[in-house]
Amino acid sequence: EPEVTQTPSHQVTQMGQEVILRCVPISNHLYFYWYRQILGQKVEFLVSFYNNEISEKSEIFDDQFSVERPDGSNFTLKIRSTKLEDSAMYFCASSLGTGGGSSGANVLTFGAGSRLTVL
Amino acid sequence: AQSVTQLGSHVSVSEGALVLLRCNYSSSVPPYLFWYVQYPNQGLQLLLKYTTGATLVKGINGFEAEFKKSETSFHLTKPSAHMSDAAEYFCAVSDSWGKLQFGAGTQVVVTP
Repeated sequence: EPEVTQTPSHQVTQMGQEVILRCVPISNHLYFYWYRQILGQKVEFLVSFYNNEISEKSEIFDDQFSVERPDGSNFTLKIRSTKLEDSAMYFCASSLGTGGGSSGANVLTFGAGSRLTVL
Repeated sequence: AQSVTQLGSHVSVSEGALVLLRCNYSSSVPPYLFWYVQYPNQGLQLLLKYTTGATLVKGINGFEAEFKKSETSFHLTKPSAHMSDAAEYFCAVSDSWGKLQFGAGTQVVVTP
């Protein structure tokens, strides 16, 4: 079964350092997402990406964050200067498309996550 | 704006007993509703979804959920709990654009 893969599974970094989290979405999917889950809290939407541009972003997704699809397969999340409060599990997800119906087009498939620890 | 509320952050059930996890949603448009499960140190796995059509939805691992518009609910049930059902369960709502809003999650503990 196709899956979304994320690397690294765990990264420890010093405050102020740049971090890049990588994701390989399912190959025929068109929509890409990043979510995060701070320990003990709910999963929060960060950003959605379609047709090589951000389609929606949350208040959390400030200027320290950026996303990119550099080569048509990878989908990356960059945090420019990490803060302690960026420590979280970051989930990448992809979907075939939007819209409902029984096609399941708006069903997101999630990766296993990248745990980021900022010291 | 859309949101979900999951009642109960922790649920303990005996093996073989009914599992009932409650989810209520708020949405200004017809919602798409989902239940995801997260096993320890793993990602989010889709259990089941409601988009349109039949309001009783069957998912994987014997789970099912019923969409009740009048009650704005999408409760998850399983007739007989198994030890392997121990996990965290998330209810989520989305609009047609696919962005998910998650509930706070319910941790399920299954006791022998």
